[in-house]
Parts: sequence; C-alpha cells; structure tokens
Amino acid sequence: EPEVTQTPSHQVTQMGQEVILRCVPISNHLYFYWYRQILGQKVEFLVSFYNNEISEKSEIFDDQFSVERPDGSNFTLKIRSTKLEDSAMYFCASRTMTGPAETQYFGPGTRLLVL
Amino acid sequence: GEDVEQSLFLSVREGDSSVINCTYTDSSSTYLYWYKQEPGAGLQLLTYIFSNMDMKQDQRLTVLLNKKDKHLSLRIADTQTGDSAIYFCAESITGGGNKLTFGTGTQLKVEL
Repeated sequence: EPEVTQTPSHQVTQMGQEVILRCVPISNHLYFYWYRQILGQKVEFLVSFYNNEISEKSEIFDDQFSVERPDGSNFTLKIRSTKLEDSAMYFCASRTMTGPAETQYFGPGTRLLVL
Repeated sequence: GEDVEQSLFLSVREGDSSVINCTYTDSSSTYLYWYKQEPGAGLQLLTYIFSNMDMKQDQRLTVLLNKKDKHLSLRIADTQTGDSAIYFCAESITGGGNKLTFGTGTQLKVEL
C-alpha cells in the first residue's frame, strides 16, 4: 500500500540553524500539508500546498518557514533560523483531489530538537 | 473559529467497550475523522464520517455524530491491548486547503 514517507526521522540542530524536513507524498496525490505536534500538545496545522502554491497557512507559519515542491516528488519544509520553541514532531500529509472524505494520509513524522 | 475538545484519559479492561468523546465548535465541518497514534508513531486514519450522517460502523468501530450538540464519539468494541494509543478526533471544512483541526487527543489504556 502506498504511504507517505519522511526524512530524517530525527534531527537535532542548534538554535539559529536552518533545517529542511523532507517528505515524499503518495504519488498521485495533489494536496500536501505540514502539521506539527509539540510534545504533549495538539497536532497543529501549519500549511497546505496545491498546484505549486500555498493555499492556506496558520499563524505559526511565519516568515521563518517556507515550503517547496522542488522536483515533482519531494515536498519540503524549511525553517530558516530555528528557535527552541520549534522543537516538535513535524508531520507531512497528502491527499488526492477526489479521495474518500478528502482523507489526508500522514507520514511517520520527523522529530526536531532545537538546542 | 474551530476548536475541538476531548477528554484526556480513558482506562478500560480488555474485552470491554471503549467510548471516546469529542466536541467541536464549527458547525460548517464537512468531515469528521478519528486518527490513532501509537507511541513514537505517526497518525493512522481509523475512520471518518460525513457531517450529514448520524452513524457509521466499521468492524469493531462505531462512530456516532450528534450534529445538533456538535458531539462525536468513537466506540471500540471488544477492546484489546493493541488498541492502547492516543486517539484524535479532527474536523475539516471543504474549501480552501481543507486543513484538519485536531482535538487534544484521548489516551486510551487497556488493562488486562
């Protein structure tokens, strides 16, 4: 069964460094998402992406964040200058245009730790 | 705005039924979902219900939706130790990016 994959599974970085989190969505999916979950808290929406542009973003998704689909298969989330409070699990999700219930399928997540 | 709430913990004995509850505030929700998260793992879709339905059954899972009260529940029949996980309800609204708004999550512990 096709699945969303994410790399790396864990990343440790120093405050102020740039990180790029990578996702490979399911191949025939057209909508892509990033969510994050700070330890012990809710899963929060960051951004949705369709047709090579952002369709919606949350207040969390400020100028430090950017997304890109560089090559038709990968979908990346870049954090330009990480802060301690960016430490979280980051989930990528994707869905088709017409799938049942517009269901989003999630990757296993990347655990980011900012020191 | 959207807000989704759940109770934090539920403990049941193996073989009993579990009922996990969720309330939401946005009456324009189109779909409501239940996701399962095992320790250290991602989010696994369990089931979903369209907002104009009252009930959906899928093997051991029964979803009940009371749209008037904006209340959603997930019943797991014959709960097993492998059902121990965090369960999230989530809502989405068709249009725009269809973002999901998640609840706080309910930690289900199944005891022998």
